[in-house]
Amino acid sequence: DTAVSQTPKYLVTQMGNDKSIKCEQNLGHDTMYWYKQDSKKFLKIMFSYNNKELIINETVPNRFSPKSPDKAHLNLHINSLELGDSAVYFCASSPGTGVYEQYFGPGTRLTVT
Amino acid sequence: QKEVEQDPGPLSVPEGAIVSLNCTYSNSAFQYFMWYRQYSRKGPELLMYTYSSGNKEDGRFTAQVDKSSKYISLFIRDSQPSDSATYLCAASISSGSARQLTFGSGTQLTVLP
Repeated sequence: DTAVSQTPKYLVTQMGNDKSIKCEQNLGHDTMYWYKQDSKKFLKIMFSYNNKELIINETVPNRFSPKSPDKAHLNLHINSLELGDSAVYFCASSPGTGVYEQYFGPGTRLTVT
Repeated sequence: QKEVEQDPGPLSVPEGAIVSLNCTYSNSAFQYFMWYRQYSRKGPELLMYTYSSGNKEDGRFTAQVDKSSKYISLFIRDSQPSDSATYLCAASISSGSARQLTFGSGTQLTVLP
C-alpha cells in the first residue's frame, strides 16, 4: 500500500498550458505539503495545509494554486506554465504541524517545453 | 546565501569506507536537525533527526550537531553499495505554527563495490 501517492508521475506540456498534480495520503496525517525540487536537487517548500487549512504559503507565483478537498488529498494546479516551472514536485505529509518527520511521495517530474 | 549549505559532491567511496557528510547553517533559531536519504527517482525519506546539539546513533549511522559552529554531520560506517543515494540535511525552528523544514541541496554519494 502506497503511503503518499502522486499522479501523474511524469508530465510533459507546453508553455502557457494549465496542469494539475494530485496527491493522496493514506496515513491518516493532518498536514500535507508541496515541495519543488530543482535540477540541482534543492528542495523548497511551496505550501502546507493542516486539516484543509492553508498554513504555509511561501513566495510562489500566484499561477500556483493548491487545493485540499479533505485532509487526505492535496492538489496543485498550475496556470500558464513557464519553462522555469520544470522541476520535480513532491507531495509530503506529517502527523501534525509540529512534527519534523515528513513522508514524501514519489514525485511528479514536470517538463515544460 | 541559503540558510542551509551543503557540499553537493559527488562523493565516491569504496565499500566499507567511513563516509562523512556535512552541512552548515546560518539561522541560530534552528533547533531540530534532520538527515533525509533520497534514492534516484524517489522521494526523500527520513534517516535520522537530532534535537539541539549532540550525537545520535542508529546502526551504522551517526548524526552530529554542533550548534556553536552551526555544523551538522552524518557519518556512515561500513558503507554499502545500497547507501548510494543523495543525502539531504534539513533544519527546523522549534516555534511557529508549522514545522517548516529548510533543506540543504543534497550530497550525492556513490559507494563502489
